[in-house]
Amino acid sequence: SAVISQKPSRDICQRGTSLTIQCQVDSQVTMMFWYRQQPGQSLTLIATANQGSEATYESGFVIDKFPISRPNLTFSTLTVSNMSPEDSSIYLCSVVLDVNEQFFGPGTRLTVL
Amino acid sequence: GESVGLHLPTLSVQEGDNSIINCAYSNSASDYFIWYKQESGKGPQFIIDIRSNMDKRQGQRVTVLLNKTVKHLSLQIAATQPGDSAVYFCAETYQGAQKLVFGQGTRLTINP
Repeated sequence: SAVISQKPSRDICQRGTSLTIQCQVDSQVTMMFWYRQQPGQSLTLIATANQGSEATYESGFVIDKFPISRPNLTFSTLTVSNMSPEDSSIYLCSVVLDVNEQFFGPGTRLTVL
Repeated sequence: GESVGLHLPTLSVQEGDNSIINCAYSNSASDYFIWYKQESGKGPQFIIDIRSNMDKRQGQRVTVLLNKTVKHLSLQIAATQPGDSAVYFCAETYQGAQKLVFGQGTRLTINP
């Protein structure tokens, strides 16, 4: 397995501001993803973070709202821009190791007031 | 910590009993399925997986069954323990895409 950490673990933010979430993995991984988990809901994929190129976004998610960086094979950031209360969620990064096994970070719990 | 799955279906079982959690998946092209356990305040934890060329796979105290005909997946937990209390999600992927589509989730509660 992989050790995945996220910063911050939680935050409370004001409407209209932006928050950048960091994801750090203890080994080099090719595939890294960002998910959102709204209150009482399941997980929804936001985008695939590609090293050295632009992220690939899922339907309903756009780069202007959720810019992603992936400067190397162990690190990625997700920014939630111009936040509104509807962005209150848990944001999780995940990585794929051998044979499709996907492991998740502990999540960042965001509350937007 | 903050709870997840506040509005999810709930399954309550007695400690020591067996639990069966069910999941219906949507994509007949899906060829890889995973069960995750999510405890309060934590990210999902990999439990067990199964490929579409199998219909059963066993792990430690857990068994996953796959019925491709009706697109149904189940997770059986033997001799449930208090530590099994969590929200359980099934997830599917296809054609080596590796990006997961998650099911609704079920909250499992263990009664002493």
